[in-house]
Amino acid sequence: GEDVEQSLFLSVREGDSSVINCTYTDSSSTYLYWYKQEPGAGLQLLTYIFSNMDMKQDQRLTVLLNKKDKHLSLRIADTQTGDSAIYFCAEQSSASKIIFGSGTRLSIRP
Amino acid sequence: EAGVAQSPRYKIIEKRQSVAFWCNPISGHATLYWYQQILGQGPKLLIQFQNNGVVDDSQLPKDRFSAERLKGVDSTLKIQPAKLEDSAVYLCASSLEHTDSYEQYFGPGTRLTVT
Repeated sequence: GEDVEQSLFLSVREGDSSVINCTYTDSSSTYLYWYKQEPGAGLQLLTYIFSNMDMKQDQRLTVLLNKKDKHLSLRIADTQTGDSAIYFCAEQSSASKIIFGSGTRLSIRP
Repeated sequence: EAGVAQSPRYKIIEKRQSVAFWCNPISGHATLYWYQQILGQGPKLLIQFQNNGVVDDSQLPKDRFSAERLKGVDSTLKIQPAKLEDSAVYLCASSLEHTDSYEQYFGPGTRLTVT
């Protein structure tokens, strides 16, 4: 069945790069997404990548997709305190349904 | 542009009681989604509407959950009767077109606690 897995926690020092990893199971996924959720708020779409791309860069964000290994990563350059949040990886399945991972909580050390 | 509105923001009920949540999507957005987010998990799709028709309700527990979007704008999600395991945040999202579902805009959610 469809499944998306992420590590639960990541702690980085302010100014360093953060790399959040995700694996998914549906090889026919069309889009893969990264969402950000701050406390008490809904999800905010950060970026997405179409399945025929390997990489997408948007300012401080870089998304890498390894379709062979079904592995997606999000790199945040120069991590700031405002980046503290839960980051969700999601895949758009062949049924046009979006499946979310359990989220990675990113905390920033001074 | 106003975002997706949801109310109430918080609700505490006892098990076996009923509860209803309301969502007002972004103006002009044809597609509306209800998600359930249990603490420590990602959102799980409950139901998806295209205008006032249901596109996907395969994960909606239909014995106790119901949803409607009568005029293709606002939507309500109801739970009757509630169980302890229904404690979660209920998120509403909307998007312009079904095929562009990556552009989903989320509301702040309603946090439900069932005691």
